[in-house]
Amino acid sequence: RKEVEQDPGPFNVPEGATVAFNCTYSNSASQSFFWYRQDCRKEPKLLMSVYSSGNEDGRFTAQLNRASQYISLLIRDSKLSDSATYLCVVLRLGGSQGNLIFGKGTKLSVKP
Amino acid sequence: NAGVTQTPKFQVLKTGQSMTLQCAQDMNHNSMYWYRQDPGMGLRLIYYSASEGTTDKGEVPNGYNVSRLNKREFSLRLESAAPSQTSVYFCASSQGVQISTNEKLFFGSGTQLSVL
Repeated sequence: RKEVEQDPGPFNVPEGATVAFNCTYSNSASQSFFWYRQDCRKEPKLLMSVYSSGNEDGRFTAQLNRASQYISLLIRDSKLSDSATYLCVVLRLGGSQGNLIFGKGTKLSVKP
Repeated sequence: NAGVTQTPKFQVLKTGQSMTLQCAQDMNHNSMYWYRQDPGMGLRLIYYSASEGTTDKGEVPNGYNVSRLNKREFSLRLESAAPSQTSVYFCASSQGVQISTNEKLFFGSGTQLSVL
């Protein structure tokens, strides 16, 4: 089993839709969690960290379920500009940079 | 602010050739990284440097060497390029010497490398 798994998609949704992505991780010692966004042929950029109690940033909500070992990203009122690949990133306990694990990403396409 | 600057943006090599990818950051960050991204794969860490003068292997270091020239610059060298090293390479930096919940990686715009 891969350490960080995501549904590659693509998720094709109309503007204004609500869409959710899940990401599962296999190592229970994983410590910190992030969502990065990557536009086509561009570099990844941090979208948001994921806190144990869940957190919201505008239209984006991230949640963590340690018992089931998954994190989720919810996007409300999708915009065309949300079209991108969303990378789930997990930091293993120990906290060294060498243990930052990237998922393969979930592709989102928002249509007019 | 330039952030993280990588050069070159594109490069084509023949098998066996050598080259160095350059990376510089102007954010006074302590840590710098080199990743590669292949289709259908997540970003994979090649090497990282937690501070000036230190470097450590990541997940896929074979065939690469790095130099942390100073706090700003971190270069990646391919001594004898192989087709398996065809990939997109990203340099990144972060403020601390250890990734934490509130810390972010800042990436360069990437280098598309093809080895024929």
